[in-house]
Amino acid sequence: NAGVTQTPKFQVLKTGQSMTLQCAQDMNHEYMSWYRQDPGMGLRLIHYSVGAGITDQGEVPNGYNVSRSTTEDFPLRLLSAAPSQTSVYFCASSYGGLSSPLHFGNGTRLTVT
Amino acid sequence: AQSVSQHNHHVILSEAASLELGCNYSYGGTVNLFWYVQYPGQHLQLLLKYFSGDPLVKGIKGFEAEFIKSKFSFNLRKPSVQWSDTAEYFCAVIILTGGGNKLTFGTGTQLKVEL
Repeated sequence: NAGVTQTPKFQVLKTGQSMTLQCAQDMNHEYMSWYRQDPGMGLRLIHYSVGAGITDQGEVPNGYNVSRSTTEDFPLRLLSAAPSQTSVYFCASSYGGLSSPLHFGNGTRLTVT
Repeated sequence: AQSVSQHNHHVILSEAASLELGCNYSYGGTVNLFWYVQYPGQHLQLLLKYFSGDPLVKGIKGFEAEFIKSKFSFNLRKPSVQWSDTAEYFCAVIILTGGGNKLTFGTGTQLKVEL
């Protein structure tokens, strides 16, 4: 199994540009989520989804949109990139919601100049 | 709001030393507790978890953690660390009542094990 696949691995954007970070899982997990990891701040939840067609905001949702049209995919959209969004982004999924361990992707390192 | 505190931000140990990393959370209800590890250049992986039952849980690679409800703590321990344990360690907590489907991570502890 591929597990959780994130693309791209690295991305550089200019302020104001938009882009989509892709996340796909092949484990038939209902729960998917996006985190950003910043030095000294750990992982902070951006958005999450408990199933296809259902999404909700996490701790730091501003500037990001998500959708969940299928069980497998959970893309994260940056609407108008800002330097404050420079971070490492992780997608994670689990089988039984949060009571099950999360499976993480390898991350996307985003730099906004 | 729930919070998770990891008081040790950076820890440096020599090989064979004992390890204890602190984790405290701020919620008095029922919780699920996790420790995740991130080795250099890799994604996070689950080390161990506590849901209920024996408060002393054992994980992979010789790690264990003890849930002390009265102290709101879930400290991670290893009797003898190895160089390969160099990594960042994250404590995480889920509130099971009224908290919604959200997992809160601590800020992480960078562990460096020297030869």
